[in-house]
Amino acid sequence: GESVGLHLPTLSVQEGDNSIINCAYSNSASDYFIWYKQESGKGPQFIIDIRSNMDKRQGQRVTVLLNKTVKHLSLQIAATQPGDSAVYFCAENTHASGGSYIPTFGRGTSLIVHP
Amino acid sequence: DGGITQSPKYLFRKEGQNVTLSCEQNLNHDAMYWYRQDPGQGLRLIYYSQIVNDFQKGDIAEGYSVSREKKESFPLTVTSAQKNPTAFYLCASSMGLAGTSYEQYFGPGTRLTVT
Repeated sequence: GESVGLHLPTLSVQEGDNSIINCAYSNSASDYFIWYKQESGKGPQFIIDIRSNMDKRQGQRVTVLLNKTVKHLSLQIAATQPGDSAVYFCAENTHASGGSYIPTFGRGTSLIVHP
Repeated sequence: DGGITQSPKYLFRKEGQNVTLSCEQNLNHDAMYWYRQDPGQGLRLIYYSQIVNDFQKGDIAEGYSVSREKKESFPLTVTSAQKNPTAFYLCASSMGLAGTSYEQYFGPGTRLTVT
């Protein structure tokens, strides 16, 4: 099975609502986590990251929460807009032998925003 | 403009033929990665390279080969040994060890169809 997974494969919200996308990871050695957004037919784009020495990080309209105790990650999107409709992936990162980060991606959650 | 490019966007091949997918970046990144994405699935790591003239197998390297002769280029060859090559292929780069940020920058992807 995959070491990174998502609880909800599809999330439908109304425009203006807040969205919460969840992610579970299994490797306790992972110390860096990233959320990506992928629009149809395109490559993923970085949204926000968080290191394991933090439990919360805020960006513009987005917040990532990290709970290392239960190996859980969430992405909160405030005032969701139709342009936020996409697939969202979380990625846990561990160090390769050469030092670079190697990510493991979850299956993704499809966020659908209704006007 | 700095970025990562992949060509072509769509590629069609007959079964039994090898095909090479191009990936170029002008971000001066040390690390480069190849992923495969199947419909409704997350990204699976094929190969990665942390530095020129070095590369490592990812989770699904069988049937694929790569080279890293130049920092800017990381081509992927899908060989006839790959049993199910039809997929969306994504290339990414990151600063690697030299950087303070570890986010991956993705190309637009190549959709390969083998019949």
